[in-house]
Amino acid sequence: DSGVTQTPKHLITATGQRVTLRCSPRSGDLSVYWYQQSLDQGLQFLIQYYNGEERAKGNILERFSAQQFPDLHSELNLSSLELGDSALYFCASSVGRRTEPYEQYFGPGTRLTVT
Amino acid sequence: GQSLEQPSEVTAVEGAIVQINCTYQTSGFYGLSWYQQHDGGAPTFLSYNALDGLEETGRFSSFLSRSDSYGYLLLQELQMKDSASYFCAVPMDSNYQLIWGAGTKLIIKP
Repeated sequence: DSGVTQTPKHLITATGQRVTLRCSPRSGDLSVYWYQQSLDQGLQFLIQYYNGEERAKGNILERFSAQQFPDLHSELNLSSLELGDSALYFCASSVGRRTEPYEQYFGPGTRLTVT
Repeated sequence: GQSLEQPSEVTAVEGAIVQINCTYQTSGFYGLSWYQQHDGGAPTFLSYNALDGLEETGRFSSFLSRSDSYGYLLLQELQMKDSASYFCAVPMDSNYQLIWGAGTKLIIKP
């Protein structure tokens, strides 16, 4: 158990819909990262927050947005869903100091299926 | 740009030793990380090398050569539970996020 929690574990929804994925980082971690992993693919970095502020952006679609709240939990919002958005979405956290990106702790993931 | 290359698949026999290579191309360098991911599971952090040389943690070791922009993960006394995908990762120029290799699927045969 990494200490990072994600809900829900599974999500099945229809095209065009909007969903929210939730992540709680490890106690004490200030940085949260969101990743997308399609079937048998590598990890695609989406976005990173540090202590409530956006710190880095990867290949995140405009239909996707995220935020980190004062209690450090984070939410990833996916809207106007398409079939191609079906994937595993991981949240990871790290302490957040300069060298900490190397050591990230991942939650169990949310498996999103768009039908 | 920045990129990492690792073999897509490696096959080995239970009890043997296997090496998974990773070459990287970055404009700056701060360290090389390795992660393990079992099918359907989450990536788990294995090791991090900032300096040249070999770092050993139990059956797993990780090596880095900064002059060659190259590293590897060495797994000894392979067990069936080591069957997984292994990812190398290096930080972006900003040093705030990681760039990930495509992953190496390790297949272990009895």
